[in-house]
Amino acid sequence: GESVGLHLPTLSVQEGDNSIINCAYSNSASDYFIWYKQESGKGPQFIIDIRSNMDKRQGQRVTVLLNKTVKHLSLQIAATQPGDSAVYFCAEFNDYKLSFGAGTTVTVRA
Amino acid sequence: DADVTQTPRNRITKTGKRIMLECSQTKGHDRMYWYRQDPGLGLRLIYYSFDVKDINKGEISDGYSVSRQAQAKFSLSLESAIPNQTALYFCATSEGTGRHVGYTFGSGTRLTVV
Repeated sequence: GESVGLHLPTLSVQEGDNSIINCAYSNSASDYFIWYKQESGKGPQFIIDIRSNMDKRQGQRVTVLLNKTVKHLSLQIAATQPGDSAVYFCAEFNDYKLSFGAGTTVTVRA
Repeated sequence: DADVTQTPRNRITKTGKRIMLECSQTKGHDRMYWYRQDPGLGLRLIYYSFDVKDINKGEISDGYSVSRQAQAKFSLSLESAIPNQTALYFCATSEGTGRHVGYTFGSGTRLTVV
């Protein structure tokens, strides 16, 4: 079946370094993708989105890259901070609903 | 006040009991969703509703039922709870139209079935 998945379940990053979180998707019909951040004890929160007619979108300290050829999505966080420690989910929008990947837990080392 | 409010935040119940999880929203969104989160599995869709008269099953609806009492309220019921329904449950809302179709999530209900 088609699904959204993340390459690695965990990522440990030194404070100040850049983080890259990867996601592979298999539904070529998906036209909208979102990254969510989930902190402990909270619901997922929107970080950034991208439509399939784009290959890059930048926000504040975050950049999402979309490679439709290999069906790959990534989230880059610049100058990672302790507050960036969380679980990150990619999600694809198709058939009026969002489907989520399993998530990557990012831990920031001081 | 939170845009999407879930009650209770935590609940422990016994096998076989009926339990209802409630969700209310002040976003004015038509679309509401119930997801279940298990470690390593991400969020899986249980049920969704695009308006008050619309109810749809998600990928894991067995053992669950829902009620859309009003635009702002969407409740999830476990008719006879079982231990493998122990999970974190999230309610979400969305506009469904316009450029941003992302969801707004509640803070979750942690359910333990013993």
